[in-house]
Order: sequence, then C-alpha cells, then structure tokens
Amino acid sequence: AQSVTQLDSQVPVFEEAPVELRCNYSSSVSVYLFWYVQYPNQGLQLLLKYLSGSTLVKGINGFEAEFNKSQTSFHLRKPSVHISDTAEYFCASQPRGSQGNLIFGKGTKLSVKP
Amino acid sequence: DSGVTQTPKHLITATGQRVTLRCSPRSGDLSVYWYQQSLDQGLQFLIQYYNGEERAKGNILERFSAQQFPDLHSELNLSSLELGDSALYFCASSETGWTGELFFGEGSRLTVL
Repeated sequence: AQSVTQLDSQVPVFEEAPVELRCNYSSSVSVYLFWYVQYPNQGLQLLLKYLSGSTLVKGINGFEAEFNKSQTSFHLRKPSVHISDTAEYFCASQPRGSQGNLIFGKGTKLSVKP
Repeated sequence: DSGVTQTPKHLITATGQRVTLRCSPRSGDLSVYWYQQSLDQGLQFLIQYYNGEERAKGNILERFSAQQFPDLHSELNLSSLELGDSALYFCASSETGWTGELFFGEGSRLTVL
C-alpha cells in the first residue's frame, strides 16, 4: 500500500527566510511524486512533479524539490519566502505507470510572517 | 482558474438528507476524480471516472455514489447524510494524454447539521 507522510503540520517562518517542507513516501512500487499548493478558499494547484530524470525538480514560484530514493523523501524547498507563499502544501504520490488517483499527505500549513 | 467548475460552492443540509454535487471538467479532459477534504482525514480519494466508466475506487462510503455523463460532467451523490460527512468535496480532471497533473475545482463545502 502507498502512503505519504508530511512530517510537519505547521511551519511558521519569517519573510525572506529559507524554508523546507518535509515529505516521506512509502510504496512497494516505484512512484511519481508531486507537490500541490492550496491557497485559502481555492482548489489545489500543481507546484512541481517528479516523473523521471534529474532528481532535483524546479517548480513554479521559485520552489524546488529533491527526490531521494534511498531515504524515500521528496522535500520541498524555497531559498527565500514571501508573504504570498502563505498556503497549505500537499505532497502526493502515484504508482509509476498508473494514470489514476494521487495519494496525498495531510498537508503542511506554511505561515510566512513579516 | 483551473477550468474545472463545481456547484454548489456551499451547501447546508440536515442529517439524513441527500445532496448532489456537480462537476464540469476542463474542456477535453476525459478523467474526473472526486476527493473529500476534512480536518481529521485530510484529502481522501473517493472515486475516478474515465469517459463515463468507473476507473478506480478509493475510500468511498456505500452511501455515496457517483457517475459521469456522456457530456463528461460528473455528479457525486451523498445520501443518509451524517454529521461526519461535513467536508470540502473536490473534483479534479486530467488530460487525456497523461502528464501527471490534476486540475482541481474550488470545491463544494458541505455542512451537515
């Protein structure tokens, strides 16, 4: 069975500081990995995805994530956050080769303070 | 704007009642997914349809059912509602040529009193 664990439910950080949101996955098969963002009162939108190739993936709004197979992790990073990055971030996985649903973690609320 | 439209945005009803949530996917997308988001369970996959056929089933209760119509819109029917069914229900769609991205609607917030 697949599962995704987001290690922090809330991450407060000051504006212009770096941030890392942690995600670990568990699966008996290879997976694709995703990060989605949910702004208040909105649906989720894709930040970035790892399908294959380079383990360092760059996404929108200056975010990047690194796939680490040995540690089964896919942590999300940004070197300098803005107030507008305040949102909930979801890590998700999908069995490689399937075209079905994503399994989501419980989310991390990022709160950026001035 | 993701291009996925969900109605209604908000719905308040009583226990024991039945409601229908509607979703119009992005133009051309054949797959529709339903997710339930609650504070305690997070985002839970309910069911997926592809071009009118059920493709995958997740943690969907027997009181819940869904279908996808020939025009590709989908409906999620929730019956014998309980307090615990209060949640945000999201619909998402994906491209026919799979890219790994789901496009989410803004959700339907259901409150059961």
